[in-house]
Amino acid sequence: DSGVTQTPKHLITATGQRVTLRCSPRSGDLSVYWYQQSLDQGLQFLIQYYNGEERAKGNILERFSAQQFPDLHSELNLSSLELGDSALYFCASSVVGRGPDTQYFGPGTRLTVL
Amino acid sequence: GIQVEQSPPDLILQEGANSTLRCNFSDSVNNLQWFHQNPWGQLINLFYIPSGTKQNGRLSATTVATERYSLLYISSSQTTDSGVYFCAVSSNFGNEKLTFGTGTRLTIIP
Repeated sequence: DSGVTQTPKHLITATGQRVTLRCSPRSGDLSVYWYQQSLDQGLQFLIQYYNGEERAKGNILERFSAQQFPDLHSELNLSSLELGDSALYFCASSVVGRGPDTQYFGPGTRLTVL
Repeated sequence: GIQVEQSPPDLILQEGANSTLRCNFSDSVNNLQWFHQNPWGQLINLFYIPSGTKQNGRLSATTVATERYSLLYISSSQTTDSGVYFCAVSSNFGNEKLTFGTGTRLTIIP
């Protein structure tokens, strides 16, 4: 158990819908990262937050948005869902966001868009 | 951006065998992590090893940063070692995003 929690574990929805994925980082970790794992793109970085502020952005679609709340949990919002958004979404956390450090990954949320 | 290549892509071994997985990266790194993704999809941290050598039970890893590669050694393989092994790196201070390789799929046959 990494100490990072993600809910829900599985999500099945239809095209055009909107969903919210939730992540709670390890106790004491200030940085939260979101990654997407799909069959065709592999594991890709989406976005990073550090202590409530956006710190880095990857190949995140405009239909996707995220935020980190004062209690440091984070939510990833996916809207106008398409079939190609079906993937495993991971959240990771690390102690600091100012330099390299071990990132610990949550169990993931498996999203299926029908 | 930084490129990460892993080899071999697939590896099938008998239980008890040893294996070496390789990760090559195209630029200097300040973070390198090895992960095991089990059949249920969980990504399990194995090592944080931007340089040097570490050991944890039957697993060990070595990163030669100056030559831009890392090796993961698995000894006396067990069926529970099956899964996909990923190497991931970050290369820029101030941006800690991990770039993942495409993985090595390891299958251990009883």
